[in-house]
Amino acid sequence: DADVTQTPRNRITKTGKRIMLECSQTKGHDRMYWYRQDPGLGLRLIYYSFDVKDINKGEISDGYSVSRQAQAKFSLSLESAIPNQTALYFCATTRTGGTEAFFGQGTRLTVV
Amino acid sequence: GQQVMQIPQYQHVQEGEDFTTYCNSSTTLSNIQWYKQRPGGHPVFLIQLVKSGEVKKQKRLTFQFGEAKKNSSLHITATQTTDVGTYFCAGRTGNQFYFGTGTSLTVIP
Repeated sequence: DADVTQTPRNRITKTGKRIMLECSQTKGHDRMYWYRQDPGLGLRLIYYSFDVKDINKGEISDGYSVSRQAQAKFSLSLESAIPNQTALYFCATTRTGGTEAFFGQGTRLTVV
Repeated sequence: GQQVMQIPQYQHVQEGEDFTTYCNSSTTLSNIQWYKQRPGGHPVFLIQLVKSGEVKKQKRLTFQFGEAKKNSSLHITATQTTDVGTYFCAGRTGNQFYFGTGTSLTVIP
């Protein structure tokens, strides 16, 4: 089983709908992140959380919200999806003081 | 806005040729990491560089961190088809990592 699991893996939704992307990890890491990937733009940070009570905005947080339900769970919500939020979304974790980030398999979201 | 730029965005090479991707930051970095993303996959950590002027090697891959800690490069010697993918640098400033725009490598057999 993957250490960082994202659900769903693929999702098509309509403009204006609310959608939640979920991430869970079994690595025991404190820090969790949400990124979106667009061609030519690399990975851009949406939100990050260093522990359950800590939530921070990243580079592109507008139109998104997050919830850290537990150390192992970090959800990303699009309150009212729009077409330019069509992208590949990745959740990642790191250990406090650690080096590498561990990524989930990604969620491909299409907003029509 | 984007703080870490990578060039080139795309690179096609014949198998056996060398490949280099460059990463440039507008600010001094605490450290820099490199990741590889295979087509259809997720980024996977390759290495971290911390010291000014540091050079590290992993088989055919050579990673360098600039003296000013604002730039870095990844060089692959004698590319193989298994090297196909997108290579990202990620520079650390404060508590955040800023990913570069990535270089997509295609290796032609």
